[in-house]
Amino acid sequence: RKEVEQDPGPFNVPEGATVAFNCTYSNSASQSFFWYRQDCRKEPKLLMSVYSSGNEDGRFTAQLNRASQYISLLIRDSKLSDSATYLCVHGWDKLIFGTGTRLQVFP
Amino acid sequence: GAGVSQTPSNKVTEKGKYVELRCDPISGHTALYWYRQSLGQGPEFLIYFQGTGAADDSGLPNDRFFAVRPEGSVSTLKIQRTERGDSAVYLCASSLGVGEGYEQYFGPGTRLTVT
Repeated sequence: RKEVEQDPGPFNVPEGATVAFNCTYSNSASQSFFWYRQDCRKEPKLLMSVYSSGNEDGRFTAQLNRASQYISLLIRDSKLSDSATYLCVHGWDKLIFGTGTRLQVFP
Repeated sequence: GAGVSQTPSNKVTEKGKYVELRCDPISGHTALYWYRQSLGQGPEFLIYFQGTGAADDSGLPNDRFFAVRPEGSVSTLKIQRTERGDSAVYLCASSLGVGEGYEQYFGPGTRLTVT
């Protein structure tokens, strides 16, 4: 079983839609979790950290459920510029990445 | 300010050859990481340095792979006797420190193709 599992998608959604991605992790000792964004043929960039209490940054909301070993990312009011691959990540020195979920927002 | 830079951006080599990939971290960043990303996959950890020493090399796939960071700044990833399966994008990242709260900043990667 992979340490981090994500639905690869693609998720095709219209502008303005709300979309949610989920991710499960196998290592119950994991402490730090993140969502990274990766545009096509570009490097990954940190989108947001994920905390047990849940955190929000503008249109983006991340949640962590330790009991179920589950992380989510919610994007509200999708923009064309949100089209990218979203990587679920855990770790604090070496990062463990999921395979990524591809989002395509269409007009 | 300048981000993480990697050279070359693309490298095509023949099976069996030796290659070196270079990473220049953000100035002042003490930690440096190497990952590789195959098509359709997330980045996979290879090795990281804290200063000049390799703190964790558990991700290096075999002894054909080696990395150095002799002065605690620039790092070189070295691959001997390349195989077609080594073809991937090799990503370097750096961070100000190690641990919670220290963001890793990635470079643009070196796309290695082994023919």
